[in-house]
Amino acid sequence: GENVEQHPSTLSVQEGDSAVIKCTYSDSASNYFPWYKQELGKRPQLIIDIRSNVGEKKDQRIAVTLNKTAKHFSLHITETQPEDSAVYFCAASTGFQKLVFGTGTRLLVSP
Amino acid sequence: NAGVMQNPRHLVRRRGQEARLRCSPMKGHSHVYWYRQLPEEGLKFMVYLQKENIIDESGMPKERFSAEFPKEGPSILRIQQVVRGDSAAYFCASSPQLNRVERDTQYFGPGTRLTVL
Repeated sequence: GENVEQHPSTLSVQEGDSAVIKCTYSDSASNYFPWYKQELGKRPQLIIDIRSNVGEKKDQRIAVTLNKTAKHFSLHITETQPEDSAVYFCAASTGFQKLVFGTGTRLLVSP
Repeated sequence: NAGVMQNPRHLVRRRGQEARLRCSPMKGHSHVYWYRQLPEEGLKFMVYLQKENIIDESGMPKERFSAEFPKEGPSILRIQQVVRGDSAAYFCASSPQLNRVERDTQYFGPGTRLTVL
């Protein structure tokens, strides 16, 4: 079955810096890759997703890139702000099926 | 447009009791997924249901756990004879009909935090 690895497990940056989180997946049939942000005690919130027919997608300060050949995808957050502090999860799916999640990255943005 | 709803938000049970967790999907969504999150860990898939059908239960323990999504009413995750190891946050997510745009996008509810004493 699908296996998703996520790095780093923790990431500390200064406000205004960029943050990059990387994930790799094992199942070449996976074609949908969402990213979720989870604040303490809250629900996972979808922040951006990408499908395998595109290589990059951007939404304001957030971007995701996908390399199907290498089976990895990354989340890029520019101009980080303290409110970006949270745990970020990547996931992979073959579509209309379960999401397989990475182990999460705890992002801390210091003022 | 109300989001995914779950109740109760917090549930305390003693060992051996039953826990019932409810999930109402977003309006227009016909697919429900249940995930479990242990403290300081990621989300693990449990079961995927459509109305009156279990599509994939590969992540659900074979004993004590069951799930349903009846024609009318919310989806229910039932845990019988709970043990301390069942303590976790249980999230459900829903996604739209297969013929809708972004049909594979899953939106999560607020979760039910189960504590087994």
